[in-house]
Amino acid sequence: AQSVTQLGSHVSVSEGALVLLRCNYSSSVPPYLFWYVQYPNQGLQLLLKYTTGATLVKGINGFEAEFKKSETSFHLTKPSAHMSDAAEYFCAVTRGGGYQKVTFGTGTKLQVIP
Amino acid sequence: DARVTQTPRDKVTEMGQEVTMRCQPILGHNTVFWYRQTMMQGLELLAYFRNRAPLDDSGMPKDRFSAEMPDATLATLKIQPSEPRDSAVYFCASGLTADTNTGELFFGEGSRLTVL
Repeated sequence: AQSVTQLGSHVSVSEGALVLLRCNYSSSVPPYLFWYVQYPNQGLQLLLKYTTGATLVKGINGFEAEFKKSETSFHLTKPSAHMSDAAEYFCAVTRGGGYQKVTFGTGTKLQVIP
Repeated sequence: DARVTQTPRDKVTEMGQEVTMRCQPILGHNTVFWYRQTMMQGLELLAYFRNRAPLDDSGMPKDRFSAEMPDATLATLKIQPSEPRDSAVYFCASGLTADTNTGELFFGEGSRLTVL
């Protein structure tokens, strides 16, 4: 079984401040990990992904995440928040080698304060 | 610009009516997922298909929900009869399974269902 836990359903940051959204995973096999973003009235779109190799992955819009096996974490960060980053962010996990279930976390809504 | 297309975008119906939601996956994708999103439950996986065959529909209430892929370009999710608790946004997502797949999903914009 696999699962992800996102700490904090709502996070508020000031414009220009560091964004940190937390995700911890549970998986009995090496995981593939993802962050998706959802803007209002839209579907989810991929921000970044970790499969194998480099543990620090960079995504779109200046976001990055680091896979830490020892901490079973895959936290999402961005050095400087922009108003356009306000959205809901989902962490997700699956297994490699062919599609298994893709399990999503409960989401974190990011508010950016001007 | 390849995208997953879902219809209808919005549907309001009365309890007891049949509802059918349709999804056109990205051409060439062989895996299709149906998710339901609500404030209370978040994103729930209802069913998924690979090469049109259902692999897992354990998340779907069997008595009223059914999911099919009549062909590679169409996936359907049907609710009969609908109930107010089915009110949610239903997302379809598609992907490509391969030996080197990355598990990335491409989502449609969702079908917002309101059952009165």
